[in-house]
Amino acid sequence: KQEVTQIPAALSVPEGENLVLNCSFTDSAIYNLQWFRQDPGKGLTSLLLIQSSQREQTSGRLNASLDKSSGRSTLYIAASQPGDSATYLCAVAFQGAQKLVFGQGTRLTINP
Amino acid sequence: GAVVSQHPSWVICKSGTSVKIECRSLDFQATTMFWYRQFPKQSLMLMATSNEGSKATYEQGVEKDKFLINHASLTLSTLTVTSAHPEDSSFYICSAPTGTSGTNYEQYFGPGTRLTVT
Repeated sequence: KQEVTQIPAALSVPEGENLVLNCSFTDSAIYNLQWFRQDPGKGLTSLLLIQSSQREQTSGRLNASLDKSSGRSTLYIAASQPGDSATYLCAVAFQGAQKLVFGQGTRLTINP
Repeated sequence: GAVVSQHPSWVICKSGTSVKIECRSLDFQATTMFWYRQFPKQSLMLMATSNEGSKATYEQGVEKDKFLINHASLTLSTLTVTSAHPEDSSFYICSAPTGTSGTNYEQYFGPGTRLTVT
């Protein structure tokens, strides 16, 4: 079964710290992996998309890595800010299916 | 980037009535769209895959007679919650992919519709 797991479920850190969110998936045959941000009561905002042939993607203070062979991705957030507080979702497009499989998310709180 | 819209963004209805939610791809065509459901503090769960010109494909455990999906054009898919009950209250999100499966494939999400059934 194709599954996506995110650890930790919740994380609280002081402002200014660098942090890493983890995502693991059960099948290495993927098209791509996406990281999303979701604010309470809102829709999804796409942060980074990593194609299966890529190792990492960067956007501003965000860096996402992909290791297909081990079935892992990380989202690195540098110099965290209170505005980064949100739920971060990892989603994988497995080969053979167009649908995305989502992890359970990591609820991030950045304390001023 | 591509834009997907949903309407309405928020709806309240009484038990037993039906509610229709629209999902539109504004600047691209989508032969396939996806409908997700999200309960509070939980992740997104795929309900069904909407296919233009053919029947939708429902995930296991999703009642197809209760959640009617119509994909009448390349830019519009609708989800109708029939005979709604309070347990149907949830956040419904649609998505549409650009490109085909492979390296040019990316999904874009609508802003979601919050349904409250009283």
